[in-house]
Amino acid sequence: QKEVEQNSGPLSVPEGAIASLNCTYSDRGSQSFFWYRQYSGKSPELIMSIYSNGDKEDGRFTAQLNKASQYVSLLIRDSQPSDSATYLCAVINSGGSNYKLTFGKGTLLTVNP
Amino acid sequence: NAGVMQNPRHLVRRRGQEARLRCSPMKGHSHVYWYRQLPEEGLKFMVYLQKENIIDESGMPKERFSAEFPKEGPSILRIQQVVRGDSAAYFCASSRDTPDSGANVLTFGAGSRLTVL
Repeated sequence: QKEVEQNSGPLSVPEGAIASLNCTYSDRGSQSFFWYRQYSGKSPELIMSIYSNGDKEDGRFTAQLNKASQYVSLLIRDSQPSDSATYLCAVINSGGSNYKLTFGKGTLLTVNP
Repeated sequence: NAGVMQNPRHLVRRRGQEARLRCSPMKGHSHVYWYRQLPEEGLKFMVYLQKENIIDESGMPKERFSAEFPKEGPSILRIQQVVRGDSAAYFCASSRDTPDSGANVLTFGAGSRLTVL
């Protein structure tokens, strides 16, 4: 069973702090990694994708990938209360297609004003 | 430009009844995907459809579940003779490009939450 693991949280950080969200995956051959944000009762929204080892930055968000450790993380700088949501890590397993994402259960982030 | 539209947003059924969930993809999108999120679980792929074709149904339970995407109208996920274990959030996603396109991005709807009493 190819799995994606996330701490369920809740992760609570003060406004302005850095929120660090972590994800590990079991399929060593995975090549594509995604972070989705999901507000309660709303649709998952893609916020970052990463395919190569290292860091990828987009505004206040930085995704980090370490394939040797089978680890992907999302950093949110200058956290805002509007960042409070569940963050879903998703992976395309080796041999899979772009539509067949394997999701973690999500980490609930709360940013306190 | 409306996003992926799903209805109903909430559906309550008694055991043994049928549930029909509808999904209208984004304008210009011809690829539809259904995912299911059981309580305390991550989203899991169920089926991928194009107009009038089921491309990949490897994630669909073998019995009671079916999906279609007709030439006209929304995609429909149908669950016959529902059981309590079918209670979940069912998410539809759509994309413009073929799945293996490097630019392919799945856009999700807000989900349909099925409760089986």
